[in-house]
Amino acid sequence: GAVVSQHPSWVICKSGTSVKIECRSLDFQATTMFWYRQFPKQSLMLMATSNEGSKATYEQGVEKDKFLINHASLTLSTLTVTSAHPEDSSFYICSATNRQANTGELFFGEGSRLTVL
Amino acid sequence: RKEVEQDPGPFNVPEGATVAFNCTYSNSASQSFFWYRQDCRKEPKLLMSVYSSGNEDGRFTAQLNRASQYISLLIRDSKLSDSATYLCVVAGKSTFGDGTTLTVKP
Repeated sequence: GAVVSQHPSWVICKSGTSVKIECRSLDFQATTMFWYRQFPKQSLMLMATSNEGSKATYEQGVEKDKFLINHASLTLSTLTVTSAHPEDSSFYICSATNRQANTGELFFGEGSRLTVL
Repeated sequence: RKEVEQDPGPFNVPEGATVAFNCTYSNSASQSFFWYRQDCRKEPKLLMSVYSSGNEDGRFTAQLNRASQYISLLIRDSKLSDSATYLCVVAGKSTFGDGTTLTVKP
């Protein structure tokens, strides 16, 4: 089946630093990738929709200058949390849809747990 | 109104029970639906796809009612390992429900 790999799985950083998370579709072309954030005991919250070669579409309340998304190829999207603060500590997950299969199924990365000290 | 709404739960059931969750969606043009399962601190994993009237896989049955715009997930003979959060997804816009938490107790 389709595989999405997310890296890193865990990251701990100091307040004020920037952290980049990568999301790769390993065996298919991902027209669209999605980025989510999940706080403990809460549901997945869509942060932004990323389309290859164009600017990401951010959900209301998500700061585009703080959460930089780049989708430079059909297999890679990156999320950079700039000037991270403790309140940004969360579980960040990406998902992708298979352009060729076009079923609408979402393939999820394993998630990245960010802890900002 | 949210695009996708799920039973809020939580559902606490004994082992062996049958439990059903509902998920309603607002976009009548939606074609594909999915149930995902998410374990604590893990990514969601696909449980079932629903493209037509329904789908069955072992103890799990998903049904689609287009007229009333809802999808249901039925779990029979529930196991301890079924404890998780179940997410309803409407394809096309990556729209999620908030999830329904199920706890199966011995």
